[in-house]
Amino acid sequence: NAGVTQTPKFRVLKTGQSMTLLCAQDMNHEYMYWYRQDPGMGLRLIHYSVGEGTTAKGEVPDGYNVSRLKKQNFLLGLESAAPSQTSVYFCATSGGAPFVRYNEQFFGPGTRLTVL
Amino acid sequence: EDKVVQSPLSLVVHEGDTVTLNCSYEVTNFRSLLWYKQEKKAPTFLFMLTSSGIEKKSGRLSSILDKKELSSILNITATQTGDSAIYLCAVDSIRGSTLGRLYFGRGTQLTVWP
Repeated sequence: NAGVTQTPKFRVLKTGQSMTLLCAQDMNHEYMYWYRQDPGMGLRLIHYSVGEGTTAKGEVPDGYNVSRLKKQNFLLGLESAAPSQTSVYFCATSGGAPFVRYNEQFFGPGTRLTVL
Repeated sequence: EDKVVQSPLSLVVHEGDTVTLNCSYEVTNFRSLLWYKQEKKAPTFLFMLTSSGIEKKSGRLSSILDKKELSSILNITATQTGDSAIYLCAVDSIRGSTLGRLYFGRGTQLTVWP
């Protein structure tokens, strides 16, 4: 029972390169989220999904795209990386089903991304 | 725009001290407030508060919500070096049909010296 996993753990990109971050969960949760965390800024929501095949924008969606083709996976894509996207990225999941605490989010270990 | 404000932003204490961390919020359709602890990696869940005036406790940590004042405090008694972490406050607010979306504060960086 791995919980929430993220791939990769670390990555260095050059400006303009693209990449995809993968979040996988085995908790059968409906909701999944991508956050970025910068020093002194707390967690800011990029995109989220309330179920397979659905996605929605969060607070800071520009420069990112997401897909949720399978319930257990949530992908975050950077089409043309910029230095401003240097950050630590966290994936999180929550229940979403009736009588399940949808607001208690479980976090993955994070991906540290540096864009040069 | 919904807001969650934490204070202080950073705090340095010595082992054995008692600390109080604050969180205030301005959100529409408030449902619950959550506290997370973040050490070097992912945030981990501490408490969820939904009712005003009811204290939640876990060992040396406790938290209470004041809906009238739109705020919450997190107390840590007899602090230990292992309490050093960022403490995040988040508020669950329903907008339209969206459930489960949390609004996070910037966090309080607590450092406990031996």
